[in-house]
Amino acid sequence: GENVEQHPSTLSVQEGDSAVIKCTYSDSASNYFPWYKQELGKRPQLIIDIRSNVGEKKDQRIAVTLNKTAKHFSLHITETQPEDSAVYFCAADSGGGADGLTFGKGTHLIIQP
Amino acid sequence: KAGVTQTPRYLIKTRGQQVTLSCSPISGHRSVSWYQQTPGQGLQFLFEYFSETQRNKGNFPGRFSGRQFSNSRSEMNVSTLELGDSALYLCASSQGQATNYGYTFGSGTRLTVV
Repeated sequence: GENVEQHPSTLSVQEGDSAVIKCTYSDSASNYFPWYKQELGKRPQLIIDIRSNVGEKKDQRIAVTLNKTAKHFSLHITETQPEDSAVYFCAADSGGGADGLTFGKGTHLIIQP
Repeated sequence: KAGVTQTPRYLIKTRGQQVTLSCSPISGHRSVSWYQQTPGQGLQFLFEYFSETQRNKGNFPGRFSGRQFSNSRSEMNVSTLELGDSALYLCASSQGQATNYGYTFGSGTRLTVV
C-alpha cells in the first residue's frame, strides 16, 4: 500500500518568513495530493491540492509543488502570519483512490511573533 | 449549506463495551469515509461508504464496522472496546471518490475508553 513520509515534524519560523513542508510517497499510481490544515481542537480543512498532471499550483500565499519522478511534493507558505500556526498534513490517494487517502504524520508549524 | 455533522462530540466508554458514532454528510454528498486520528499513528483510513455500499476498508480489525443509510448518513460501530481505541474519529464527506472530489471533514467524535 501507499506510504507517506512528512518532514519536519515541527517547524518554527519568524512571522513574515516562508515555511516549507515536504512529503514523499511510495505508490507511483497515486494521482491526487491534498494538504490539510488542522488548528487545535478543530477539524482538518483542505487548503490546497494538486493532481499528477500539474507540477505546481498556487493560491495566494500558499503553493504546492509536485515531482512525480522523485515521488515528492511540498507545501510552501510565504509571508507567514500568526493564523498560519497549526498542524499541516499531506496526503496521497492510495491504490489510485481505491483505499482512501494515506496521510503523513503531520507538521506542527509555529509562527514566532 | 450545512457542513458535515458528527454526533456525539465526546464519549467516554468502558473497556468491553460497544459504541456507535454517527455522521451526516453535506447534502448531496454520497460518499462517507471514516478516519481514526491518534497522536502516535496520525490519520488512518477505516472505511468508505458510497450509496449504502462499503467500497473500501482499511487495515483495522473486524470490531470496527459501519453502514450507510439511503439518506447517506453513516454510522460507525466499535465492539468490545479496548484502551487503544481511544482516539478522535473523523468522518469525511465527498461527492464521490476523494481522488476526484476531495474531502470535507466533520469536527469528529472524541472517544475515550477507560
